[in-house]
Amino acid sequence: GNSVTQMEGPVTLSEEAFLTINCTYTATGYPSLFWYVQYPGEGLQLLLKATKADDKGSNKGFEATYRKETTSFHLEKGSVQVSDSAVYFCALLTMEYGNKLVFGAGTILRVKS
Amino acid sequence: NAGVTQTPKFRVLKTGQSMTLLCAQDMNHEYMYWYRQDPGMGLRLIHYSVGEGTTAKGEVPDGYNVSRLKKQNFLLGLESAAPSQTSVYFCASSPAGRSWAEAFFGQGTRLTVV
Repeated sequence: GNSVTQMEGPVTLSEEAFLTINCTYTATGYPSLFWYVQYPGEGLQLLLKATKADDKGSNKGFEATYRKETTSFHLEKGSVQVSDSAVYFCALLTMEYGNKLVFGAGTILRVKS
Repeated sequence: NAGVTQTPKFRVLKTGQSMTLLCAQDMNHEYMYWYRQDPGMGLRLIHYSVGEGTTAKGEVPDGYNVSRLKKQNFLLGLESAAPSQTSVYFCASSPAGRSWAEAFFGQGTRLTVV
């Protein structure tokens, strides 16, 4: 079946540090890949997405590249801010199996000033 | 500009009580979902619906029922609540037939079963 594996957290960084959150997936067919972010006390919101191999999604300084050969979609940011503290979820969506979003476990990011 | 609205936002139930969580979306989306979020387990799909009058089971459907009588509403019912159902519940919606489309989430319902 379809699944997403994320690196375990929490990840604690100082402001302006480089961020990588690893995400790998298993899927039948050709999924679209997403990163969602959840700020404290809120619902999830889309951060970025990529719909085919080698696509790069980017938003708010974050970026991730769809790597079919390694089945990965790692999230990166060059310089994190305190306001980036949140939970980050990697997810995939495939048109098979009823168009369901499948999420990873989430990675907590804490950025210290 | 409401998007996806969940009610209630918080609820405490006693074991064995029943309740219904309501999800309403105003974006004319065909697909709607109910997830539960538990620490270390991410979001797990409970039930989903691909259109008015249709529902299907997700990963963790036991103990829950759903109904989609109107396109804009998706109800999640707990007939006899158990402490294992203590969780944060999220509803989401998305348009049909487009694998690149994002899902829109509600603010969540924090449910505690004592």
